[in-house]
Amino acid sequence: DVKVTQSSRYLVKRTGEKVFLECVQDMDHENMFWYRQDPGLGLRLIYFSYDVKMKEKGDIPEGYSVSREKKERFSLILESASTNQTSMYLCASNPGQGDEQYFGPGTRLTVT
Amino acid sequence: SQQGEEDPQALSIQEGENATMNCSYKTSINNLQWYRQNSGRGLVHLILIRSNEREKHSGRLRVTLDTSKKSSSLLITASRAADTASYFCATAGDSGGSNYKLTFGKGTLLTVNP
Repeated sequence: DVKVTQSSRYLVKRTGEKVFLECVQDMDHENMFWYRQDPGLGLRLIYFSYDVKMKEKGDIPEGYSVSREKKERFSLILESASTNQTSMYLCASNPGQGDEQYFGPGTRLTVT
Repeated sequence: SQQGEEDPQALSIQEGENATMNCSYKTSINNLQWYRQNSGRGLVHLILIRSNEREKHSGRLRVTLDTSKKSSSLLITASRAADTASYFCATAGDSGGSNYKLTFGKGTLLTVNP
């Protein structure tokens, strides 16, 4: 079974802190994605990566950066957390363009 | 950007009944996918239908795609309480960088009452 794991299920951080969300997949997938999910807004793509060290902005990249140093790991970084970044963060991966995506369990981040 | 929009936003049915959810989108696609999300969890892929397909089945699921109307429907037959979840459609574009990304709708919340 494909497995996508995320470093934390729940996280509470203070405004201004630097926050790292980690995602690891074990199926040698080329592509990895970070989404945030908010009530009434659905899933919105923050960043994706189609290869090691390659990244592309999604629909809402402002306030976020990403890192992909190894194929299996994709990190989302909040440089200076703000309360409007309180959300559910979902990581996903897939083997090729347009293929089904495999999601991790999500990290519910609260910024106070 | 293209976007899937599900209809209805919420649906409540009795166990054993069929549930139908609809999805509309705006631009041309490579494929359309349906996902399920149990409360507070990650999404699980259900079915993928390509732009040149009109209908697809998987167990109790039946998906149709009408590219002329830019719409899709998901039918769950003989529903069970365990089918209670949010259901999302997502579209994969057919050109350039858009075919890497999936664009998700806001979902339909299905409640199946025992």
